Amino acid sequence: NAGVTQTPKFQVLKTGQSMTLQCAQDMNHEYMSWYRQDPGMGLRLIHYSVGAGITDQGEVPNGYNVSRSTTEDFPLRLLSAAPSQTSVYFCASSATSGRATEQFFGPGTRLTVL
Amino acid sequence: EDQVTQSPEALRLQEGESSSLNCSYTVSGLRGLFWYRQDPGKGPEFLFTLYSAGEEKEKERLKATLTKKESFLHITAPKPEDSATYLCAVHQAGTALIFGKGTTLSVSS
Repeated sequence: NAGVTQTPKFQVLKTGQSMTLQCAQDMNHEYMSWYRQDPGMGLRLIHYSVGAGITDQGEVPNGYNVSRSTTEDFPLRLLSAAPSQTSVYFCASSATSGRATEQFFGPGTRLTVL
Repeated sequence: EDQVTQSPEALRLQEGESSSLNCSYTVSGLRGLFWYRQDPGKGPEFLFTLYSAGEEKEKERLKATLTKKESFLHITAPKPEDSATYLCAVHQAGTALIFGKGTTLSVSS
């Protein structure tokens, strides 16, 4: 199993550009989520999904869109990048969203917005 | 206010010098508390899940414990390869994981 994969590893954007961060998992997990990690802020939840076709907002959803058309994939879209979105983005998945089960994290995407 | 607070922010130890990291939480309806290890430039790696007060789990030099208000990650006789940032997260009923800001551990030989 590859686990949770993310592409790209690094990305530089100009303000106003759009892009999609890709996330895929091969563990047949129901629950997937996106976090951003900033110095001194810890991991903050952006959006999450409890299954295909179901998504919801986390703590910091503004400026981001998500969709979940398959169990395996959960892309994160930046519609109009802003410097405040410079961060490291992590995708995670877990078997369920009910009983607390561990989340498995991808390697991250380091995004810089100029 | 922070619902998950980790202390200290940074900890420097000599190889073999045992210590503990603290994670205090104020959430109600705790469904689970998680410990992760994060190496620079990588994603968090799962270590332990604790579900109820009094529970303990061990893995090599690490031992995690849980009370009704806090969790400790005890590191016994650490080695340089234990250097990393340790993250604590809680799963509260009806919400997603809430992470603390982490403790950065440096172990020198």
